[in-house]
Amino acid sequence: AQSVTQPDIHITVSEGASLELRCNYSYGATPYLFWYVQSPGQGLQLLLKYFSGDTLVQGIKGFEAEFKRSQSSFNLRKPSVHWSDAAEYFCAVGVGFGNEKLTFGTGTRLTIIP
Amino acid sequence: DARVTQTPRHKVTEMGQEVTMRCQPILGHNTVFWYRQTMMQGLELLAYFRNRAPLDDSGMPKDRFSAEMPDATLATLKIQPSEPRDSAVYFCASGLRLTDTQYFGPGTRLTVL
Repeated sequence: AQSVTQPDIHITVSEGASLELRCNYSYGATPYLFWYVQSPGQGLQLLLKYFSGDTLVQGIKGFEAEFKRSQSSFNLRKPSVHWSDAAEYFCAVGVGFGNEKLTFGTGTRLTIIP
Repeated sequence: DARVTQTPRHKVTEMGQEVTMRCQPILGHNTVFWYRQTMMQGLELLAYFRNRAPLDDSGMPKDRFSAEMPDATLATLKIQPSEPRDSAVYFCASGLRLTDTQYFGPGTRLTVL
């Protein structure tokens, strides 16, 4: 069965510093991969997704992610974080007939310090 | 700005009561998902529909949960009878195609006493 691992439960970074959130997946076929962000009391919002093609994917809010098949990873990066980036970040893998069933990781909570 | 809406936003009820949560997907979206989020289990897919037909409800406890789409503008998730372990935030999401972005609603926070 498919699974997604986000090894970091909580990360704290300074405003303006770079960020990398880790995501590893386990899935037998070519995965559809997603990163979602959840602000407190809100639903989830898609940051970016990878289906095929270029392994470096650009998303909204200045985020990018790189798919590395050899490492089964899809890490999220941002060169310079802003205080408004404080939120919970979820990696997900899409499976099923149309890859519409999302299996989510447990999330990484990001705290930004001034 | 089209959004998924969910009602109620908060619900407190007593064990054994029936709970109905409603979701209005984005107009034109034909795929609707129900998720549950808890601290212990994280985000779990309960069920999803395409063109109002249930495609998969394997994530849903069958004995007490039911999900329906009476029409294209309304999805419902019902729990009867409710139990304290059902306390969670329930999210609805909709999309245009199976592989399309899923747009999440703000959630219904359910507390069962």
